[in-house]
Amino acid sequence: EEQLVESGGGLVQPGGSLRLSCAASGFTFSTYWMSWVRQAPGKGLEWVANIKQDGSEKYYEDSVRGRFTISRDNAENSLYLQMNSLRDEDTAFYYCARGQQLGHWGQGTLVTVSS
Amino acid sequence: QSALTQPASVSGSPGQSITISCTGTSSDVGSYNLVSWYLQHPGKAPELMIYEGSKRPSGVSNRFSGSKSGNTASLTISGLQAEDEADYYCFSYAGSVWVFGTGTKVTVL
Repeated sequence: EEQLVESGGGLVQPGGSLRLSCAASGFTFSTYWMSWVRQAPGKGLEWVANIKQDGSEKYYEDSVRGRFTISRDNAENSLYLQMNSLRDEDTAFYYCARGQQLGHWGQGTLVTVSS
Repeated sequence: QSALTQPASVSGSPGQSITISCTGTSSDVGSYNLVSWYLQHPGKAPELMIYEGSKRPSGVSNRFSGSKSGNTASLTISGLQAEDEADYYCFSYAGSVWVFGTGTKVTVL
């Protein structure tokens, strides 16, 4: 059974950093693009970033480009999102998802940016 | 990149058909056959219902169908059931980046 499990969320002050992880199982991780999507509480979905199978291509939503870095470790079947210079508006549930078209999702991890 | 435009809410009675629109531009929906649709129940992760405009993943009911005309994509739910009550989002490729719709709350009367 396909499974994606996010971790690393929590409370952080504005300007701080956080690293999210996503552990994948039940599918051949190295053959898929992977994506991060976020959802502020009570709001809609927002695409954040994605990464090609071998990590050679990475794309970001405008508001996070230069602050967030997506990466992956195919040997560990893991996806990461390094988030720096966090802002209040980055508060959201962060989901990892399989593929560019988000075929399977994890249950999300909550990031709260607040002083 | 601006969010795609969806109606805030759509409602229907059990057994009826409803259609949710997703309006973009010639830079996203109009240029690529890469629109997908997601259902999200409260407190749950989204689920893929349609990809590449009209394809259904294994396990998704054939009551769900997708189409596109120009810059507008559509999701039709036929034979509406109580379990279809949820939020629905479209999602499109926009040339190296991707963009979601504003979301539609579907209510089964």
